[in-house]
Parts: sequence; C-alpha cells; structure tokens
Amino acid sequence: GEDVEQSLFLSVREGDSSVINCTYTDSSSTYLYWYKQEPGAGLQLLTYIFSNMDMKQDQRLTVLLNKKDKHLSLRIADTQTGDSAIYFCAEKAGNQFYFGTGTSLTVIP
Amino acid sequence: DSGVTQTPKHLITATGQRVTLRCSPRSGDLSVYWYQQSLDQGLQFLIQYYNGEERAKGNILERFSAQQFPDLHSELNLSSLELGDSALYFCASSPGTGGYEQYFGPGTRLTVT
Repeated sequence: GEDVEQSLFLSVREGDSSVINCTYTDSSSTYLYWYKQEPGAGLQLLTYIFSNMDMKQDQRLTVLLNKKDKHLSLRIADTQTGDSAIYFCAEKAGNQFYFGTGTSLTVIP
Repeated sequence: DSGVTQTPKHLITATGQRVTLRCSPRSGDLSVYWYQQSLDQGLQFLIQYYNGEERAKGNILERFSAQQFPDLHSELNLSSLELGDSALYFCASSPGTGGYEQYFGPGTRLTVT
C-alpha cells in the first residue's frame, strides 16, 4: 500500500500557531485531506485540497501542498485548547484511501 | 453530529463468531465507505459502495463482506472472528463517488475475546 507519514506528537501553547506535517508517496493522488479525531469520536473532515492546488485557506486553517516533495501541511492559527485532538492526513489515489498514523496535538494553556 | 449513524456502538463477542455492523449514511449520500481503526494497523480503508454497487476495495479480508441495500444503508459482516479483529469500525458517507467529502460516523467498537 501507499505510505502516508506523520509525526506522532506536537505540543503548542495556546494562542500560538500549530503546523502539522505529512508526507505521502503516491504521485497520482487526486485529493488530500485533513481530519480531526477527538477522544471517543469519529473522524471529522476539516478540509481537503485538490492535488492541482498549492494552498487552501479556511478560517484558522491553512493547507499547503508541495507536490514536488509530496508534502502536505496543516497550519492552525491561534490554537485553542479545543483544538487538542489527533489529526489525520489522508490521500485518495485511484479508488483507494490511505491514512497517516495521526498526529496527537496537545495545546498547553 | 455528521448525520451518519452506526449501530451498535459496542460489541463484544468470542473468537469464531460472526457479527454484523450497520451504517446509515447521511440523507442524500449515495456512497458508503468502511474503515477499520486499530492500534497496530492504524486506519485502513476496507471497501466502498455507491448506490448499491461495490465501487472500490481496500484491505478487506476474505472473512469480511459488505453490502449496500436499496435504502442505501450498509452492513459489514465479519465472520470467523479472531482476536486481531478487535478494532473500531467506522462508516463514512459522501454524496458521490469521488470521496472528496467523507463524513464519518461515530464508529462501532468491536472486542473479540
């Protein structure tokens, strides 16, 4: 299968920006996604980006895509304690969906 | 609340048994996806149905099968259960086949003892 990799943990102070990084291997990806999972809950779609885009901004969220390096990032501005969760990067390649291991974001008050 | 419902919320069963997990997609969504989330394998895509037809198949074991009914709800059948099948099983739905907007249900936690 395809590899989608993320760092496991990230800690930031409340009010700072968080940047969560992801790398993927399949250059035929059509969509790339960011999901948020809170304890005991399902995955919540935060945002997605088409593979022919470089950037997408949605309120406090900014997604950057570097296709050459197969690198995707999610920036959360003004991080709040409610942003503490696990963030999953995912890609769609062909008819298949591949998820990263998730990055656990801890926001320190 | 995503609008996707899954039942049951928890299921405990013994090895060798068979279980059925149920998913109702969001109103109007034609695609249903099944995923397995476990500690050692992470989140794995199992299978997608679109309007009753199988659309894509991922890492689904032969002991597992799924179907989507005319009312668009879906069932995932897991048979000859093994300890390693213990996991969270998520269903997601999307309006079309592209899957660029998937809405996840709360999951069914399966424990095989």
